Parts: sequence; structure tokens; C-alpha cells
Amino acid sequence: GAVVSQHPSRVICKSGTSVKIECRSLDFQATTMFWYRQFPKQSLMLMATSNEGSKATYEQGVEKDKFLINHASLTLSTLTVTSAHPEDSSFYICSARGGVLYNEQFFGPGTRLTVL
Amino acid sequence: EDKVVQSPLSLVVHEGDTVTLNCSYEVTNFRSLLWYKQEKKAPTFLFMLTSSGIEKKSGRLSSILDKKELFSILNITATQTGDSAVYLCAVEPFGGTSYGKLTFGQGTILTVHP
Repeated sequence: GAVVSQHPSRVICKSGTSVKIECRSLDFQATTMFWYRQFPKQSLMLMATSNEGSKATYEQGVEKDKFLINHASLTLSTLTVTSAHPEDSSFYICSARGGVLYNEQFFGPGTRLTVL
Repeated sequence: EDKVVQSPLSLVVHEGDTVTLNCSYEVTNFRSLLWYKQEKKAPTFLFMLTSSGIEKKSGRLSSILDKKELFSILNITATQTGDSAVYLCAVEPFGGTSYGKLTFGQGTILTVHP
């Protein structure tokens, strides 16, 4: 199967700072990447969809100015949480699809964000 | 709005038992239903189901879809402690801007005791 990596795996930051999370498809070209958020004991909630070279599409209730998504290449998408607050603390997971395995989504290992 | 409901929310069994996890859904323009296993990290893919009545099997796990009644089940036979995880069901719609957007259920927390 295809491999998706995320970096960092864990980040702790102070309230008011910005945090960037990277999602990379290692062995395929990801034409579409998805960003999910998962709060403790809850399921995954889709935040946004990004297609390479175009603006991300955000789900209802997700602030696009707070969660900046860039998908500048076929192997990299970034999520920047701007002016993070404690309520942004969550598990952020990306997934990617593309290439010959287009029917499947492959998930990254996730990034645990803690905002103090 | 697409909706996925899983039951039970949690289940505790002993090794060797057989479990059945349920997933019911409502989705506009159904394309597929997917099952994932989530341990401490991100979900790992188990099955993708697109057609009714065709069982998919992988070792001790199997799953089937009923598109008329809008549900799916995931069976695990001869459970092992390594099966302890959260099992997530998700649906994917067809077409346009919704393509690939997964709606997840709440998950079933399975705990297998030795």
C-alpha cells in the first residue's frame, strides 16, 4: 500500500503561536489530500479537502483563516493552525489519494497538537 | 447531510469470542462504505464495500454490505487481544466536490481480554 507521513508527530506550543503540520505522500502523487481532526473519544471530522494547485475547500464550521491549507505539490500538503488556542488541541490526521490507487485513501500517522 | 451510526459503542469480550459490529448509514449518492481499525494512531484500512451481498474476507475479519437496508456488519472470529482497537465505519459519496469526502461513525471500542 501507499505511504503517507506526517510531521511532526507531536507538538506542544503556547497559546497565540502558529503551528505548521506537513503531510507527505512518499511513494505516489497525491492529487487530493484531506485534513481531519479528532478530539478525544470522538470520531474523525473532515476539516477540508485540498487539490494540488488549487484552494482548499473547507467544511462548514471550519475557519479557513485559522486553518490555512496549502497543497503546493503532488506530494506535500501543509496545515497551519494560526494563533492556536487550547481548544485547538486535538489529533490532526491527513489522508491522500491519487495515482493508480486513486480509489483508496491512505492515512498519515497523525499529529497530536497540545496548546498550553 | 450524510450520517453514519455505529453500534455498539463499546464491547468487551474474551479471547476466542466472535464479535459483530454494526454500521448504519444515510448518504446522498452512495459510492462506498469503508471499515478502518484505529489503535493509538491513525486509522488503518480494512475493507471497502461497494456492492450488496458480497462478503469481503481477510483472515478472521469479514464484512458485508446491504444497500437496501443501508447497513454493514464487520465480523471478527476467534478474537485475539491484538484486535483491541476502535473500529470505524465511514461512507463515501459519489461525484463532484464530494468525491472522496468520508463521513465517519463514532466508532466501536473493542476490548479483548485474555
